[in-house]
Amino acid sequence: KAGVTQTPRYLIKTRGQQVTLSCSPISGHRSVSWYQQTPGQGLQFLFEYFSETQRNKGNFPGRFSGRQFSNSRSEMNVSTLELGDSALYLCASSSVGQTTEAFFGQGTRLTVV
Amino acid sequence: TQLLEQSPQFLSIQEGENLTVYCNSSSVFSSLQWYRQEPGEGPVLLVTVVTGGEVKKLKRLTFQFGDARKDSSLHITAAQPGDTGLYLCAPRGGSNYKLTFGKGTLLTVNP
Repeated sequence: KAGVTQTPRYLIKTRGQQVTLSCSPISGHRSVSWYQQTPGQGLQFLFEYFSETQRNKGNFPGRFSGRQFSNSRSEMNVSTLELGDSALYLCASSSVGQTTEAFFGQGTRLTVV
Repeated sequence: TQLLEQSPQFLSIQEGENLTVYCNSSSVFSSLQWYRQEPGEGPVLLVTVVTGGEVKKLKRLTFQFGDARKDSSLHITAAQPGDTGLYLCAPRGGSNYKLTFGKGTLLTVNP
C-alpha cells in the first residue's frame, strides 16, 4: 500500500510569509503527527491529530498550527516565518497513535530566507 | 521532563567493524523503539523492545532493553556501508500521544 506522502518536498519562503504543508497518511491510519528536524535540536514533536482532534501539542509557538480533515489528511501551517523555522518537517501516521509503529513521509524541506 | 541521551553523537567506522550505540534516560519506559533515518528519507522503524532485559536480533543488529527499562543499546556486527544513517531511539511511556526522540547517532560506514 502507498506510504505517507508529504507535499511539497522542497520550499523556499521569505521571512514574514506563511506556509502550508500537506501530509496524506497511509490509508486507514487515523493518527497523524508532525515533527520538526534540525541539526541542532534533532526531531522535535509539533502536534498529533486523531480523527480531526488535536490530542497533544509540543512546545512550539502559536505560529505553528495544524488541522486534520475527515479523510485523515493533515496540514500544518506556519505563519510569520522566521529564519529559525528552516528545517525538515516530517509527518508520521500510525494506526493507533500510542505504541504502534510510526510511518514517516520523506518530509518537506523548508528554507526561510 | 525526561532527559534522553544518545551516544556517541557521531561515529565513523570502516566496513567490517563492530559498533555499539546507546540510548539512556533518567525515566522508566513502557517500551522503546529504534528508528534509522537515511539521507533524504524519513525515519523507519527497526525494532520495538518492551520487556526489561529483552534482546532482539535483526540480522546483524542486536537490540537490548535495560533491566530497569531506562536505557537501551544497539550493536551492529560487521558494519556495512548500507548501515549508514541516523539511528534514533524513541521511548514510549505514559498516555501522551507522541514520540520523543533522542538526537540520534549519525553513523557513517566507509567502504
